[in-house]
Amino acid sequence: KAGVTQTPRYLIKTRGQQVTLSCSPISGHRSVSWYQQTPGQGLQFLFEYFSETQRNKGNFPGRFSGRQFSNSRSEMNVSTLELGDSALYLCASKRTTGTGGQRETQYFGPGTRLLVL
Amino acid sequence: AQKVTQAQTEISVVEKEDVTLDCVYETRDTTYYLFWYKQPPSGELVFLIRRNSFDEQNEISGRYSWNFQKSTSSFNFTITASQVVDSAVYFCALSEEAGGGNKLTFGTGTQLKVEL
Repeated sequence: KAGVTQTPRYLIKTRGQQVTLSCSPISGHRSVSWYQQTPGQGLQFLFEYFSETQRNKGNFPGRFSGRQFSNSRSEMNVSTLELGDSALYLCASKRTTGTGGQRETQYFGPGTRLLVL
Repeated sequence: AQKVTQAQTEISVVEKEDVTLDCVYETRDTTYYLFWYKQPPSGELVFLIRRNSFDEQNEISGRYSWNFQKSTSSFNFTITASQVVDSAVYFCALSEEAGGGNKLTFGTGTQLKVEL
């Protein structure tokens, strides 16, 4: 079974631009979560989508948004990029059928490395 | 609020040495889940183990073993006879039953360097 895939793997943008990152979960997985990893803040939860609905959101500004499609694929968008948005963005999927999903394991993709100049 | 502390920033060992990575967590929930992930230089987080708060049985899997102690809120990870391929950043993470969703709270990670 294929793992979580993320595209693109590397991206360079300039301040003020916007970017869209894509994540395809493991087949059969319906929950997709996004995390940001930076040297200063570590791994931080951005948001989680399940059945095309945002179910949980981390403490990030509104410039960070996401969505999930009917096939469970997810995209996240960052508008008006800032230098501090340079990070590794990781997507994770889990099977979960609804509530109680905390006990299940999230499987991560390889990430998208975003550099904002 | 939940919190995960990995006090060891970096550990260097010589191949074949045993090494233990420490993890201490804080949570108000009575039901929670603990995880260890490994992040090699490629960046992908690789799942290693999951433990439920109601299951304190320790586990050994090959060269890996885990010691979960609720009394001290610790979930330590030991690699026996370390190898160069074990070099990576190791993250401990916590997920609570309450609050809904699938948020993982990660520690700051421990960089393990295994040298010949």
